[in-house]
Amino acid sequence: NAGVTQTPKFRVLKTGQSMTLLCAQDMNHEYMYWYRQDPGMGLRLIHYSVGEGTTAKGEVPDGYNVSRLKKQNFLLGLESAAPSQTSVYFCASSYHRDEQYFGPGTRLTVT
Amino acid sequence: SQQGEEDPQALSIQEGENATMNCSYKTSINNLQWYRQNSGRGLVHLILIRSNEREKHSGRLRVTLDTSKKSSSLLITASRAADTASYFCATVQSGGTSYGKLTFGQGTILTVHP
Repeated sequence: NAGVTQTPKFRVLKTGQSMTLLCAQDMNHEYMYWYRQDPGMGLRLIHYSVGEGTTAKGEVPDGYNVSRLKKQNFLLGLESAAPSQTSVYFCASSYHRDEQYFGPGTRLTVT
Repeated sequence: SQQGEEDPQALSIQEGENATMNCSYKTSINNLQWYRQNSGRGLVHLILIRSNEREKHSGRLRVTLDTSKKSSSLLITASRAADTASYFCATVQSGGTSYGKLTFGQGTILTVHP
């Protein structure tokens, strides 16, 4: 099993550009999450999904959109990137409220 | 807002010593989890303790939970240089919807010197 994978690993965007981050899991988990990690801030939840076709806002959802068209995939979109979105993005999945399995992260820089 | 507050922010010890990290939280929880993050990598789950448990062990790890004080501690015994990493506590709140939303603390940076 690959666990949780994220694509791409690194990306540099110019302000105003758009992009989509892809998260895939092969553990048949119902729950999936997108976090961002900034220095000294820990991880903050952007959006999450409790099942195929469902999404919900987390702690810092502004400027991001998500979709969960297939159970194994969770996409995070930035429609118009801003320098404040420079961060490391982590995807995770879980079976209900138990341990979460994290991907390796995507390092995004917006100039 | 951050649910968990961790203490200390940084800890530096010698190999073989024990390392203790503390976590405090604000609301009632369903469970509390500890994660490790090596530099530049994703988080790895270490241990989960439920609200009705007081202590849990896993190898060299010992976690305690005091729900009356809304606090938890992680003890790593006989530390090794490979334990050098950031350690995060995270809580799942009780009640409300059934999703497993984790709220993370800011983490403790542990450095173990050979």
